[in-house]
Amino acid sequence: DIQMTQSPSSLSASVGDRVTITCRASQSIGRFLNWYQQKPGKAPKLLIYGASSLQSGVPSRFSGSGSETDFTLTISSLQPEDSATYYCQQSYSTPAFGGGTKVEIK
Amino acid sequence: EVQLLESGGGLVQPGGSLRLSCAASGFTFSTFAMSWVRQAPGKGLEWVSGISGSDDRTFYADSVKGRFTISRDNSKNTLYLQMSSLRVEDTAVYYCVKASTSLSSWFDYWGQGTLVTVSS
Repeated sequence: DIQMTQSPSSLSASVGDRVTITCRASQSIGRFLNWYQQKPGKAPKLLIYGASSLQSGVPSRFSGSGSETDFTLTISSLQPEDSATYYCQQSYSTPAFGGGTKVEIK
Repeated sequence: EVQLLESGGGLVQPGGSLRLSCAASGFTFSTFAMSWVRQAPGKGLEWVSGISGSDDRTFYADSVKGRFTISRDNSKNTLYLQMSSLRVEDTAVYYCVKASTSLSSWFDYWGQGTLVTVSS
């Protein structure tokens, strides 16, 4: 099975900061990598699919990049409403999620 | 508007059984693969099981294989998860999830979740 490792597990940043979250796959998954945002008590929401495609309705400050085993989710200018936990997920084989990154606002 | 409404969660004793349902609307249900994803209290997301749209191929996480059965009734636009031999570690919120196309695609819509608690 393909394992997904996210880092960091948590971070604290100020409004307006550029935030980067990384996700590493245990083997090559091409660009079959997706990102989700989850706020407390809510279901996850799709942000990015296919490594870099922005889901409809998602603000353009979110972007994704990477391929094969190394991927990045970037928030270009952190906003208060971006406080959430972010998960990566590979859809190359049996779906698997990363452990999550909790983003807090300073 | 796509809607996924789970039901069937609750409190069950270890070794017991429970069936979850997910009523889907707003899209052509039979066309799309569906999955169940769970989240234990305070933990991350875990994919549990998936079923294809057209030919009902099923897939399971190792943690539930042989104990859980996923199925769908395309005439009722409903997804099911039959859970048996439940363990304390199966305690979680279970989400019904729509795949964007096939099982090898992203999850574009999620239900609100239903809580399953396994405890004596």
